Amino acid sequence: KNEVEQSPQNLTAQEGEFITINCSYSVGISALHWLQQHPGGGIVSLFMLSSGKKKHGRLIATINIQEKHSSLHITASHPRDSAVYICAVKGETSGSRLTFGEGTQLTVNP
Amino acid sequence: EPEVTQTPSHQVTQMGQEVILRCVPISNHLYFYWYRQILGQKVEFLVSFYNNEISEKSEIFDDQFSVERPDGSNFTLKIRSTKLEDSAMYFCASSHRTYSSYNEQFFGPGTRLTVL
Repeated sequence: KNEVEQSPQNLTAQEGEFITINCSYSVGISALHWLQQHPGGGIVSLFMLSSGKKKHGRLIATINIQEKHSSLHITASHPRDSAVYICAVKGETSGSRLTFGEGTQLTVNP
Repeated sequence: EPEVTQTPSHQVTQMGQEVILRCVPISNHLYFYWYRQILGQKVEFLVSFYNNEISEKSEIFDDQFSVERPDGSNFTLKIRSTKLEDSAMYFCASSHRTYSSYNEQFFGPGTRLTVL
């Protein structure tokens, strides 16, 4: 079993829809990252969370430490949101290394 | 806004050759990392570096790999004798970690390594 599981693996939406991507992890963590990877391959950090909720523009990230679960929401989705969204965790006992999920491929159609 | 840069963006090499991938971390950052992503797979941790020495490495980071901070700005990953399975996207990251807290890692755009 992977330490970090994301769902769904693939998601297709129509422009304007509300998107939710989920991340579950099996280890104790001190931080969780949501990252965005575009087709060219570059990775952009969206959020780092250790508790609660963060919002940036149309993106919202939440985390429930007790349930070992985080969600990334995109409101009013747009075709430019099409990318792979990756959840990565820093374990409590894993030094500084991040452990990554497989990613969720999001496609937003106009 | 400061960013992590990597060169080259794409490197093609023959099996058995040495390659050096270069990174310039964000200037006031103290921790440096290398990750790799084989095509179609998830990103994997290779190594972290702090205070001019390796602070942590994964099982992937064997004797074929080495890292160095040769001057005050560059951070390099060397693969001594490349194998076909080293073909991947290699990402450098940096963070401004203090002694007692973990801070966000910022990623470079990646170097795509192709071993023929």
